[in-house]
Amino acid sequence: DAGVIQSPRHEVTEMGQEVTLRCKPISGHNSLFWYRQTMMRGLELLIYFNNNVPIDDSGMPEDRFSAKMPNASFSTLKIQPSEPRDSAVYFCASSTLGGTEAFFGQGTRLTVV
Amino acid sequence: AQSVTQPDIHITVSEGASLELRCNYSYGATPYLFWYVQSPGQGLQLLLKYFSGDTLVQGIKGFEAEFKRSQSSFNLRKPSVHWSDAAEYFCAVAPGSSNTGKLIFGQGTTLQVKP
Repeated sequence: DAGVIQSPRHEVTEMGQEVTLRCKPISGHNSLFWYRQTMMRGLELLIYFNNNVPIDDSGMPEDRFSAKMPNASFSTLKIQPSEPRDSAVYFCASSTLGGTEAFFGQGTRLTVV
Repeated sequence: AQSVTQPDIHITVSEGASLELRCNYSYGATPYLFWYVQSPGQGLQLLLKYFSGDTLVQGIKGFEAEFKRSQSSFNLRKPSVHWSDAAEYFCAVAPGSSNTGKLIFGQGTTLQVKP
């Protein structure tokens, strides 16, 4: 299994631009999680889905952030418009419902200039 | 509110020395506890987890951790550190078995290994 696949690995964009981060979970996993890692706040959960349905988006920082999971094998995290303070590493993770472990992707390092 | 505290931001040990990374949690019920490792530029890899039963759990790469309910701790240990263990280590708690990916992380401890 290729594991959780995130793209792109690195993204540099200008303030005000739209950014879309992508995630392909492990096949057969039905829970998907988006995390953000910053120096100031550490690792924090943004949103998670069970069976493609958003369950808890209380960690999404602002309305500029949105996430979708149109099918079991794909999810996106979009920031529009982006701001320099959104610069961070964004991780996607997946697990089975009731599973004992979440598997993390390699992350997308986002830099907003 | 649930929280995880890793008191040590940075630890340096000599190669071959023993290691203990501290983790304290705050959670009302019996927590599901995890230790993850993150190498530079990489994602998080699970080292070990505790759900119930034996309070001493073994993980990958020679790591172990001990759950102590009375101290609300879940410290990570390794008897002999290798240079390749240099990384950042995260303790995390999940609220239950239904979503073990819904994690609250500590701030992390960066481990440096001296030759």
